[in-house]
Amino acid sequence: EVQLVQSGAEVKKPGESLKISCKGSGYSFTTYWIGWVRQMPGRGLEWMGVIYPGDSDTRYSPSFQGQVTISADKSITTAHLQWGSLKASDTAMYYCARRHTTSGAFDIWGQGTMVTVSS
Amino acid sequence: SYELTQPPSVSVSPGQTARITCSGDTLPKQYAYWYQQKPGQAPVLVIYQDNERPSGIPERFSGSTSGTTVTLTISGVQAEDEADYYCQSADSSGTRVFGGGTRLTVL
Repeated sequence: EVQLVQSGAEVKKPGESLKISCKGSGYSFTTYWIGWVRQMPGRGLEWMGVIYPGDSDTRYSPSFQGQVTISADKSITTAHLQWGSLKASDTAMYYCARRHTTSGAFDIWGQGTMVTVSS
Repeated sequence: SYELTQPPSVSVSPGQTARITCSGDTLPKQYAYWYQQKPGQAPVLVIYQDNERPSGIPERFSGSTSGTTVTLTISGVQAEDEADYYCQSADSSGTRVFGGGTRLTVL
């Protein structure tokens, strides 16, 4: 079964760092882009960026460039999203999703990781 | 920044046809995708490349395009179709973007 399994919910304080993960299985991890999507409470979906695990080519939405870092470790078929210094406004659900090679669709989604940043 | 515009809400009675639109300048050149999101769940792809339906998605879901507007049509709406629907495409540089989302209410 093709699936993406994300790490569990996190509660952090402003200024702390964080790295969340998304493990792919059931398919060739290195040949599909993995994207990250933010959903703030009660709000819509926002595309953050994508990474190609095969060569770590990474593209960011201008809105998130410099705010987060997307990486991948193909040896453990896992993509990561990390923050160096969290803000309260980073409180959101974060989804990873696989982008299908030919259709370009985000066809497989992780279950989401809830990040809460509060003092 | 580039935007895709959707109506905030659409309401229909069971068995009727729901149409959800999405407008954007690059839609004549870039494919559109539609995702369904139910409360507390991850999004699910329901239409890709403007009008293609993934396996497992009911035939009542269809997509169409006309100029700068794409439309998700749900024929014979069922109660289980009540959800938020998001269109997604790309701007002229290839940066992906989502529309603001449309809440479909089944009356």
